[in-house]
Amino acid sequence: DTAVSQTPKYLVTQMGNDKSIKCEQNLGHDTMYWYKQDSKKFLKIMFSYNNKELIINETVPNRFSPKSPDKAHLNLHINSLELGDSAVYFCASSPDSGKISYEQYFGPGTRLTVT
Amino acid sequence: AQTVTQSQPEMSVQEAETVTLSCTYDTSENNYYLFWYKQPPSRQMILVIRQEAYKQQNATENRFSVNFQKAAKSFSLKISDSQLGDTAMYFCAFMKHLGETSGSRLTFGEGTQLTVNP
Repeated sequence: DTAVSQTPKYLVTQMGNDKSIKCEQNLGHDTMYWYKQDSKKFLKIMFSYNNKELIINETVPNRFSPKSPDKAHLNLHINSLELGDSAVYFCASSPDSGKISYEQYFGPGTRLTVT
Repeated sequence: AQTVTQSQPEMSVQEAETVTLSCTYDTSENNYYLFWYKQPPSRQMILVIRQEAYKQQNATENRFSVNFQKAAKSFSLKISDSQLGDTAMYFCAFMKHLGETSGSRLTFGEGTQLTVNP
């Protein structure tokens, strides 16, 4: 069974389009995250949600909007896509309690290419 | 804010040999966690090993072990008996727990690309 899943795995689109990436976790975790990995492989947190409440909101363009319909899902919507948005986007989740390390479990990533 | 530094962008090692990847971090926190993640070409992020800052004993997981020096803010990863499947990008990460209902914040280093040669 997949723990953290993302769809799609690959996304190729043109500048100016609007796109969404979906994330689902079946681990019963309370917090979900979005990370961006740029072309130099640097990973940076974008957002986190705990039980549908926004916790972390890094300096990210307003064109990026996370949406959490329930605590098992955290989707990322991107408006007016730009070339610089090309990257790999990772979703992750972690429990609030029960595991001392509060380890984050990562999805497989979505490679977004904007042309 | 926390920062994590990996000073070795690339390393290589011969199969069956031992290699050590370096990581230093900067924080004013006393309670935190440190991780090493592996990212093979498949791009999946795989947890290799974790260390709780309050534990003095260095963590080990089979062929992987860490040298955690809290005062020096150093957290190196040693891979023994290197295997071809260890070829990957390795990320050091610092985690701060934000509270009981707030999850945590992971800060990653720049990564070290490790190549294991046959």
